[in-house]
Amino acid sequence: SQKIEQNSEALNIQEGKTATLTCNYTNYSPAYLQWYRQDPGRGPVFLLLIRENEKEKRKERLKVTFDTTLKQSLFHITASQPADSATYLCALPPEGGYQKVTFGIGTKLQVIP
Amino acid sequence: EPEVTQTPSHQVTQMGQEVILRCVPISNHLYFYWYRQILGQKVEFLVSFYNNEISEKSEIFDDQFSVERPDGSNFTLKIRSTKLEDSAMYFCASLGQGRHEQFFGPGTRLTVL
Repeated sequence: SQKIEQNSEALNIQEGKTATLTCNYTNYSPAYLQWYRQDPGRGPVFLLLIRENEKEKRKERLKVTFDTTLKQSLFHITASQPADSATYLCALPPEGGYQKVTFGIGTKLQVIP
Repeated sequence: EPEVTQTPSHQVTQMGQEVILRCVPISNHLYFYWYRQILGQKVEFLVSFYNNEISEKSEIFDDQFSVERPDGSNFTLKIRSTKLEDSAMYFCASLGQGRHEQFFGPGTRLTVL
């Protein structure tokens, strides 16, 4: 079955630096990959979707890459701010399906002022 | 901006009791989901619902669970006889036709004593 790996350890970075989070997956070739943000005690909030035929996607200070050969996505936040502190979740659809998503455990980002 | 709402925000119940968690999805969305998140763990898919019937369910969603869309706006999750291990955050999500990004509600924290 599909497996999603995110570094579950917290990532601490200084304000203004670029944060890079990694999502690896196995046993599977997804049609797309999503990134969500989750704040403590709240539901996930959709950020970006990248399709298998796209190498890179940007939205304001966010950038996502998708390497289907390495089976890896990188999520970058440039010029990070303390308000970016949250847990970031990688999410994949089921193989052959397009609705429900399977989430990784998430990486907790702490931006230090 | 339209949003998914959930009630109650926190539900405390005794083991063996029935609980009903309520959700109001975004009005023009067609696909509805329940996920749960045990403290410190990842967000897990429970069930998806489309066209007034369950389209997919996970192994977690056993006979103790049921979902219903009793009218044009509400979407409910019922746990018939709660167990201690049902204690978790339960998130409702909805999805528009032809879209991939799911919109999550703020969650209901269920505590089973």
